[in-house]
Amino acid sequence: DTEVTQTPKHLVMGMTNKKSLKCEQHMGHRAMYWYKQKAKKPPELMFVYSYEKLSINESVPSRFSPECPNSSLLNLHLHALQPEDSALYLCASSHPSFFTEAFFGQGTRLTVV
Amino acid sequence: ELKVEQNPLFLSMQEGKNYTIYCNYSTTSDRLYWYRQDPGKSLESLFVLLSNGAVKQEGRLMASLDTKARLSTLHITAAVHDLSATYFCAVDWNTGFQKLVFGTGTRLLVSP
Repeated sequence: DTEVTQTPKHLVMGMTNKKSLKCEQHMGHRAMYWYKQKAKKPPELMFVYSYEKLSINESVPSRFSPECPNSSLLNLHLHALQPEDSALYLCASSHPSFFTEAFFGQGTRLTVV
Repeated sequence: ELKVEQNPLFLSMQEGKNYTIYCNYSTTSDRLYWYRQDPGKSLESLFVLLSNGAVKQEGRLMASLDTKARLSTLHITAAVHDLSATYFCAVDWNTGFQKLVFGTGTRLLVSP
């Protein structure tokens, strides 16, 4: 199983809403990532979790709050977002010790209205 | 700051032709990855290049890495329409786990 599953696939939320994105993998990977991708742009790293601990926060605004409840799950909690936060949010996982590729989920297409 | 640049940004080619996409990066790294992305879809891993001189081939695609020149190439042989997609290179910032910095992307369109 080389699958990273993200839910929901699409999300429309108002600027005052609170919502969460979910990501799940069962490959035994102990590193998990959130990337943000704007249209026609490359993905940009937001957060890295290694062994369920936050290892990298790329100066992401606090309205994005990541959580890693266990080694298989990664959440991204969203609150008071702005329209410019509309993007494709990609989750990925990899083995933290071996130089293998990261596997990406299908993404959540987020629209903030 | 690690910068990764690709060229060309857009490539329109005919089926059956050959072409090369270039990926230049600014800081020492010996881990480079190529991904494919179809419109509205996620990223599919194509190649993992982990050392100077590494060469990998899969079907009509071949990737290579020259760490001294900080350059990777993705060569397309006898292109077919199914190869139409956006191709990204990504460089790992040698942090022990994958802090990937993606290139600007090359949008490839293969026409009959």
